[in-house]
Amino acid sequence: DAGVIQSPRHEVTEMGQEVTLRCKPISGHNSLFWYRQTMMRGLELLIYFNNNVPIDDSGMPEDRFSAKMPNASFSTLKIQPSEPRDSAVYFCASSLLSIGRGGDTQYFGPGTRLTVL
Amino acid sequence: AQSVTQLDSHVSVSEGTPVLLRCNYSSSYSPSLFWYVQHPNKGLQLLLKYTSAATLVKGINGFEAEFKKSETSFHLTKPSAHMSDAAEYFCVVHRRNAGNMLTFGGGTRLMVKP
Repeated sequence: DAGVIQSPRHEVTEMGQEVTLRCKPISGHNSLFWYRQTMMRGLELLIYFNNNVPIDDSGMPEDRFSAKMPNASFSTLKIQPSEPRDSAVYFCASSLLSIGRGGDTQYFGPGTRLTVL
Repeated sequence: AQSVTQLDSHVSVSEGTPVLLRCNYSSSYSPSLFWYVQHPNKGLQLLLKYTSAATLVKGINGFEAEFKKSETSFHLTKPSAHMSDAAEYFCVVHRRNAGNMLTFGGGTRLMVKP
């Protein structure tokens, strides 16, 4: 398996522009997570999907952020308009949720390093 | 609610000496616990996980961790550090009754001196 695939790996954009980050989870996984990592705040969960449905988006910073999962093999995280404080590494992770059993491993993609100038 | 505290933000060891990265957890339930490693400019990789089976868990690259309920700890150890172990390590607790969500500790940066 190729693992979790994210694109692009690096993105540099100007303030005010729209940014779209993409993620392909591991085939067969039914849970997908978007995280943001910064020096100041560490690793933060932004949003979590189960069976393509957003379950918890309480970590999404504000309305400028939106995430979709149109099917089991693709998700996007969009920032519109982008701001310099959005600069971070964004990770996507996927797992197979087993109801009633804890400890399902999340597999992380390589991340997208976003720089907003 | 579940939470994890990594007691050291930075740990420095010499190559060939033991590694100890400390983690304490707080959980209302019997937790599932993980250690992940992140090498520079890379994603997170699972080192090992505890899910209420054996309390001593062996992971990849010679790492192991022991779940101690009485101390609410899940410290990560390795007998002999290698230069390639230099990375950031995250202790993570699985949030039961919250789907498959994880709570991450603040991370410990391990430096290995030659």
